Parts: sequence; C-alpha cells; structure tokens
Amino acid sequence: DTGVSQDPRHKITKRGQNVTFRCDPISEHNRLYWYRQTLGQGPEFLTYFQNEAQLEKSRLLSDRFSAERPKGSFSTLEIQRTEQGDSAMYLCASSLAGGRSGANVLTFGAGSRLTVL
Amino acid sequence: GENVEQHPSTLSVQEGDSAVIKCTYSDSASNYFPWYKQELGKRPQLIIDIRSNVGEKKDQRIAVTLNKTAKHFSLHITETQPEDSAVYFCAAKGDTGTASKLTFGTGTRLQVTL
Repeated sequence: DTGVSQDPRHKITKRGQNVTFRCDPISEHNRLYWYRQTLGQGPEFLTYFQNEAQLEKSRLLSDRFSAERPKGSFSTLEIQRTEQGDSAMYLCASSLAGGRSGANVLTFGAGSRLTVL
Repeated sequence: GENVEQHPSTLSVQEGDSAVIKCTYSDSASNYFPWYKQELGKRPQLIIDIRSNVGEKKDQRIAVTLNKTAKHFSLHITETQPEDSAVYFCAAKGDTGTASKLTFGTGTRLQVTL
C-alpha cells in the first residue's frame, strides 16, 4: 500500500451520462474525503466518511452526486446526469481520525479528471 | 463554516530571494493549518503544517507562523529555487463538527525566476 489510489485517472463523457469514480485510501486510514478542484482554484470539499459513516456533505453537492464507503475501505463517487459544469478534477484523500499521531494529515490521490462534453 | 482567504494569488521572485504567502481563517475552532504544494498536473502534497498550540515551525528553508488571535498564518520560503515554482495552498481544519474538514484557500502561484 503505497498511497491513495484513484480510478479512472481520466474520464470523458457526454452530458447526461452517469459516471463513477473509485478511491482506495491508505489501508489504516479511517477517514476518507472527496474534493473537487477546477483549474486555478483550491480543492473544494464535497463529502467525507469516517469508516463507513458519511459524516458531512457539502451544501454545494447536488442530489446528482452520491458517495458510498460500504465496508469502510474503498469509496465510490457517482455523478448522475452529468452536466458540463461537473468537469473538474475529483480528488480523494484519506487520514487517520483525530486523537492519534498523524491524525488530520490528509494524503491525496492523483485524482480523476472528468470532462463532460 | 470555515472561510480561508489567501494572498497573493501570484508571486514572482528571483532565485535566492524569499517568498511569503499569507492566509486568514474565520473559524476559531480551527486548530490545524497545513500547507500543500501542487505542481502542474500533480496531486497536492503536504509540505509543512502547524497546530494551534505552536506559534512557529521551521523545516529547512520552509517556515510557517501562526497568530491565533488575529486568525492568520503565513508560509515563508527562504533561498528560493526554481523547483519551488508551483501552486501553494493553505488550509484550516478543526476536530469536530463542520470544522472537521480541511478548507483550502484559493492558492498562490509561485514562480521563481533565474
């Protein structure tokens, strides 16, 4: 386990299609985060999990977006009925929960770049 | 929720000079302040972080200072080198509630010229 893995790295889709991204966090990390980054901007928080529980969702996240972490390990982010405005880099990060050494330090994956035509 | 502002948006320095990037945050519950470096097309990578019980931290040519009262923190890079050219993001995070996620600034594009 050398880090956070994301798949696919690139996805091109037509408007209206559904897409799903997968994130495999660092194995001992119990927190998993999804962020979205557009060109020239900082990562924007979407949602995060502690183990399998989804603890927070951004108000910016429309109901076309859904994320799961069914067994507390990998996570998926699905976007339904994609729109051109969904084009962005979707970053996953993981960390230990607070209270332990190294907690709060987020390690990011390489991201999944989505292009909606 | 937390709001992090970052300045400047772009910074150009000559090799060997120092660079300073400043951030302010709004949520007094935030207690962890990392800085990430992102090179073009790559993932953000942690370069240094500071917790609220510390006022300053240094790691070789990089230092971060924190003023909790004023709610601002800064990144200092000394003796800049061309490989320091990248986008730098500050961020803030707390432990509980809505502060428990990392909120990023908008980034500073640093260019180190020869």
